[in-house]
Amino acid sequence: KNEVEQSPQNLTAQEGEFITINCSYSVGISALHWLQQHPGGGIVSLFMLSSGKKKHGRLIATINIQEKHSSLHITASHPRDSAVYICAAKGSGGGADGLTFGKGTHLIIQP
Amino acid sequence: DSGVTQTPKHLITATGQRVTLRCSPRSGDLSVYWYQQSLDQGLQFLIQYYNGEERAKGNILERFSAQQFPDLHSELNLSSLELGDSALYFCASSVVGGSTEAFFGQGTRLTVV
Repeated sequence: KNEVEQSPQNLTAQEGEFITINCSYSVGISALHWLQQHPGGGIVSLFMLSSGKKKHGRLIATINIQEKHSSLHITASHPRDSAVYICAAKGSGGGADGLTFGKGTHLIIQP
Repeated sequence: DSGVTQTPKHLITATGQRVTLRCSPRSGDLSVYWYQQSLDQGLQFLIQYYNGEERAKGNILERFSAQQFPDLHSELNLSSLELGDSALYFCASSVVGGSTEAFFGQGTRLTVV
């Protein structure tokens, strides 16, 4: 069972809508990453969070450590936001520094 | 541009062959991570190197190996290739690892025929 769960798997919305993508994880983490992957395949790191909230332009990421839950919000969505959004968790214990990934949310913003 | 360079971008090879994927991290980054993205498994962590030494292993097959050189570039070697090894292979780098932000390369798309 994947330790990082994302919802929804697929999301289609109209331009201008407020978008929310959710991520839940089952173990303690030291950081949670939100990544964006465009159809060409390249991955861009959007945020790295260990607490609270971060904002960059129209993107906002929040994390609730107690509830083991994070959300990525997109305000005033635009067709260029169409991509796969992936959350990834880094464990808080010793051992691998690598990330554990969610399956991704495929977002389509229609004009 | 993340500053992480991966070569080649595309690679097509036959089953049973061996290939080497190369990654140059961002200037100053000591940690290099390798990830595999396949259609059925999604993104998976393979292995991490830090300043030339292996630091952590994830779901890396025994047929795969990696190393990080003194100039900090890294290579991922895939041998005895199977059809199921076809995937996107990403490299990422970060300053020290841990909870520092990671920057991803554009990936190498490997097709095994």
